Amino acid sequence: EVQLVQSGAEVKKPGESLKISCEGSGYSFASYWIGWVRQMPGKGLEWMGIIYPGDSDTRYSPSFQGQVTISADKSISTAYLQWNTLKASDTAMYYCARIGLGGDWIFDLWGQGALVTVSS
Amino acid sequence: EIVMTQSPATLSVSAGDRATLSCRASQSVSSSLAWYQQKPGQAPRLLIYGASTRATGIPARFSGSGSETEFTLTISSLQSEDFAVYYCQQYNDWPHTFGQGTKLEIK
Repeated sequence: EVQLVQSGAEVKKPGESLKISCEGSGYSFASYWIGWVRQMPGKGLEWMGIIYPGDSDTRYSPSFQGQVTISADKSISTAYLQWNTLKASDTAMYYCARIGLGGDWIFDLWGQGALVTVSS
Repeated sequence: EIVMTQSPATLSVSAGDRATLSCRASQSVSSSLAWYQQKPGQAPRLLIYGASTRATGIPARFSGSGSETEFTLTISSLQSEDFAVYYCQQYNDWPHTFGQGTKLEIK
């Protein structure tokens, strides 16, 4: 089965670090871009950035550049989203999603989401 | 950054009726426009890409149209499972921004 499986919910304190993961299976993980999308409570979708696991080429939204780090390990078919210093405003659901082949930069496969709660 | 504006914010429609959702780009995105559906507690699902091409498995009652800066998602005969939030996304320029969403609710 083709799928993306994300790591579980996290509860952290402001100032802590965090790395969440997204494991792909059932397809050639290294050959598809993977993106991250933020959804704050009760709000819409925000495009954070994408990575090509084959060579780790990465593109960030200016809104998230410097705030998070996107990485990938193609040997274990896993992409990551990392924070060095969490803030309360990072509380959100984070989705990873695959960009399909064919020239359209669309998210054709989504993970189930990972809820990150940052609270003192 | 291209700003995507969806209207209306909320649309109340009866089951069986037609729903028309709009999405406007702050500058031309050609036909690089996708629509997603999100139900409560679920991840989004791709409906339409290239402004008018249905994704695999999407029913024919969903159709997309438009180009450049004006786009429309039409659901021809609403089923109960169609009541959800719909997002447009442009992928013509970085970053690939989303609209703020239209909530389609039962009238």
